Parts: sequence; structure tokens; C-alpha cells
Amino acid sequence: AQTVTQSQPEMSVQEAETVTLSCTYDTSESDYYLFWYKQPPSRQMILVIRQEAYKQQNATENRFSVNFQKAAKSFSLKISDSQLGDAAMYFCAYRSGTSGGGADGLTFGKGTHLIIQP
Amino acid sequence: DVKVTQSSRYLVKRTGEKVFLECVQDMDHENMFWYRQDPGLGLRLIYFSYDVKMKEKGDIPEGYSVSREKKERFSLILESASTNQTSMYLCASSLWRNQPQHFGDGTRLSIL
Repeated sequence: AQTVTQSQPEMSVQEAETVTLSCTYDTSESDYYLFWYKQPPSRQMILVIRQEAYKQQNATENRFSVNFQKAAKSFSLKISDSQLGDAAMYFCAYRSGTSGGGADGLTFGKGTHLIIQP
Repeated sequence: DVKVTQSSRYLVKRTGEKVFLECVQDMDHENMFWYRQDPGLGLRLIYFSYDVKMKEKGDIPEGYSVSREKKERFSLILESASTNQTSMYLCASSLWRNQPQHFGDGTRLSIL
């Protein structure tokens, strides 16, 4: 079974600065997908960014980018120019590239609570 | 935008009751999912469905069942609610298995 580890229960950053959230995962598969989701106090899970394992290029979405290190099984999220609205729980998630037996569901890390200091 | 709607934001039930949590999506998605979220544990998959009347167990299916009679609706059923099922429940859907999942706002369920 796959596992996802987020080693930072909480992170704090000054507004306008850059912060990196770490995520590592354990899998024996070569085909999979990785995601970062954001959950603000409103509770809705919002997709921030996704990465296909077969792509070497790191995904980027505006101020959000990832550092995907497949050999190291690492998938960190970098938030540039942090804004107050970025304050939320951030979850790293893994999805198998194969189907069946629950493989279509996401495996989540336990989350990192990001605090933005004004 | 995809809209995933969960019928209740908050729900309070008693031990032993049969509880229904409803989820509806408006984008004709094939796949629907139920997760449970607990502090310090992240989200865990309870059940998912990849077609009408089709279902698969996730990581923690014990004490739960599901129903998918129509493509847009996926129900989670607690057959006999227990206090350890007090939690936040999140429904999600995706068009295809390799597409991102879209989540509802969650139902915070308390079993007394």
C-alpha cells in the first residue's frame, strides 16, 4: 500500500515571502499522479496543482510550483509571494496509475497547517 | 465549474440510528468517492463508485455502505451509527480516473 508523509504539521511565513511544504511518498509503482490540495476554513478541498509521474517537468500554477524528485519520492510545494488568502491546511495526495481495488481513490498525507503572518 | 453538493453541512444523530449522507454532482462524472477526515489522520477513502450500481471498498469500509442508483447521486449509509463514526465526511467526483477529484463542502457528523 502507498503511504504519503507530510513531516511539517504546521508552517508559518511572512506575507510576500516564499514557503516550501514538504511531502514524501512510498510506492512500488512507476505510473501515478500526485496532487496538492488546499483546505481553507470554509472546508472545501481545492485542487492547487497536480503532477503526472511520467512527466519530468515540474508543474507550475501561477505562484504555486512543485519540486518533483521521482527517484527520491519527494513532491514539495513552493508558494511564492505568500498572501493572506493562502492560509489553509495543505494536503499532499497520491493516486495510482492502475485501476481497481481502491486504486482510484486518493491517498492523503496528514496535512500541513500554513499560517501567513501579516 | 464542477459543483459537488452535500445535503447537510452539520448533522447530529443518535447511536444506533441509520444515517444517510447524500452527495450530488452536476457534471456527469463517472467516478464518485466518499472520504472521512479526522484531525491528525488526513482523509481516508471509505468507498468509491465508477458507474451506476457499481461500488468498490476503500481503506475503511467497515460500518458503512453506499448506494448509487443514479449517475449524479452517491449516498453514504451508516447502518447503525456509533460514536466512533463522529467525523467530517467529504464527497468527491471525477470525470475519468486520471482526472482530479472535485470535492463538496463536507458534512460534519456528530453521533451522540
